[in-house]
Amino acid sequence: AQTVTQSQPEMSVQEAETVTLSCTYDTSESDYYLFWYKQPPSRQMILVIRQEAYKQQNATENRFSVNFQKAAKSFSLKISDSQLGDAAMYFCAYMGWGGAQKLVFGQGTRLTINP
Amino acid sequence: NAGVTQTPKFRILKIGQSMTLQCTQDMNHNYMYWYRQDPGMGLKLIYYSVGAGITDKGEVPNGYNVSRSTTEDFPLRLELAAPSQTSVYFCASSTYLGGQSKNIQYFGAGTRLSVL
Repeated sequence: AQTVTQSQPEMSVQEAETVTLSCTYDTSESDYYLFWYKQPPSRQMILVIRQEAYKQQNATENRFSVNFQKAAKSFSLKISDSQLGDAAMYFCAYMGWGGAQKLVFGQGTRLTINP
Repeated sequence: NAGVTQTPKFRILKIGQSMTLQCTQDMNHNYMYWYRQDPGMGLKLIYYSVGAGITDKGEVPNGYNVSRSTTEDFPLRLELAAPSQTSVYFCASSTYLGGQSKNIQYFGAGTRLSVL
């Protein structure tokens, strides 16, 4: 079974600085998807970014980018120019290729932004 | 566009009571899911459905039941509620069809359930 591990329970960063959240996963599949979801205090799960494993190019969405290292099974999220609204729980998630598109989540990292 | 709608938002149950958490989506998605999130933890899959009339167990199905009679609705039934079922419950949906939304799960706002 696939597993996802986020080794940083909490992180903090100064406003306008850059922070990187770590994620590792375990799978025997060669094709899959990886996601970062943001969960603010409202509890809503918000998609931040998606990466297809067959794509070598790292995904980017405005201030958010990933460092996808397939051989190392690592998928970190970099947030540039951190803003107060970025404060939230961040979850890394794995989805296998095909099938029922089930997500396997990591334990989450709580990100605090210091003004 | 409402997306995924869950009701109720909050509920307190007594041990042994039963209830149904409602979930409906208006995106014509084939796949639907129920997750639970315990305090300080990630989400764990309870049940999922790949289409009307088809359901299957996820990682933590014990104490729950589901049905999928229509594409839009995917209710989660708790029978004989126990304190261990105190959690936040999320419903989600996704589609395998092409386009930007393919393989992305869209979540409802969650239901906070306490069993006392």
